Amino acid sequence: GAVVSQHPSWVICKSGTSVKIECRSLDFQATTMFWYRQFPKQSLMLMATSNEGSKATYEQGVEKDKFLINHASLTLSTLTVTSAHPEDSSFYICSARDKGYNQPQHFGDGTRLSIL
Amino acid sequence: QKEVEQDPGPLSVPEGAIVSLNCTYSNSAFQYFMWYRQYSRKGPELLMYTYSSGNKEDGRFTAQVDKSSKYISLFIRDSQPSDSATYLCAMSGGGYSSASKIIFGSGTRLSIRP
Repeated sequence: GAVVSQHPSWVICKSGTSVKIECRSLDFQATTMFWYRQFPKQSLMLMATSNEGSKATYEQGVEKDKFLINHASLTLSTLTVTSAHPEDSSFYICSARDKGYNQPQHFGDGTRLSIL
Repeated sequence: QKEVEQDPGPLSVPEGAIVSLNCTYSNSAFQYFMWYRQYSRKGPELLMYTYSSGNKEDGRFTAQVDKSSKYISLFIRDSQPSDSATYLCAMSGGGYSSASKIIFGSGTRLSIRP
């Protein structure tokens, strides 16, 4: 149980394009989803917390107009990197929490984004 | 000072050895403690999830929490080459609120030599 699917797993695109990453909870309903960024050999950096049906809460220093998050249903959240530039190249990982008290986060397999 | 400190390693041990991984933390509000395993180019996989102080065992894995010392450990018995990965400790204050964020350690890279 507790499977989180993230798509695509790898994307390469030109500078200036927008890229959408999907995160789905396959066998549970996730009222809260999280988006992280991870640089090589570093830990996960929380970018934003997404609650179903409401606006995402962004961490300090994360541009909300740059990283658009939509959490339209209990099983799907999307992250759109708008007008991507090479410095946005990174490993983006989503996670989801099941409903209920103190449920742990379960992670997707990440999306490797390379901007040329 | 970081909220969660974890030795990045790398740690290399022979197959069959007992592995000890540790984290220290500074925030006494943390009540929920987790260990995740992350293989290269994959997302973290939840291994252990414990509440407050004490031990929890699951197969070859044992998690220990000592809240008085603000110290948590993960022990791996009979280590296998397939255990080679980065291990991340994580902790949170808990609760329903999305404000109960998980704080991650930097991860320890573990290599099990056949």
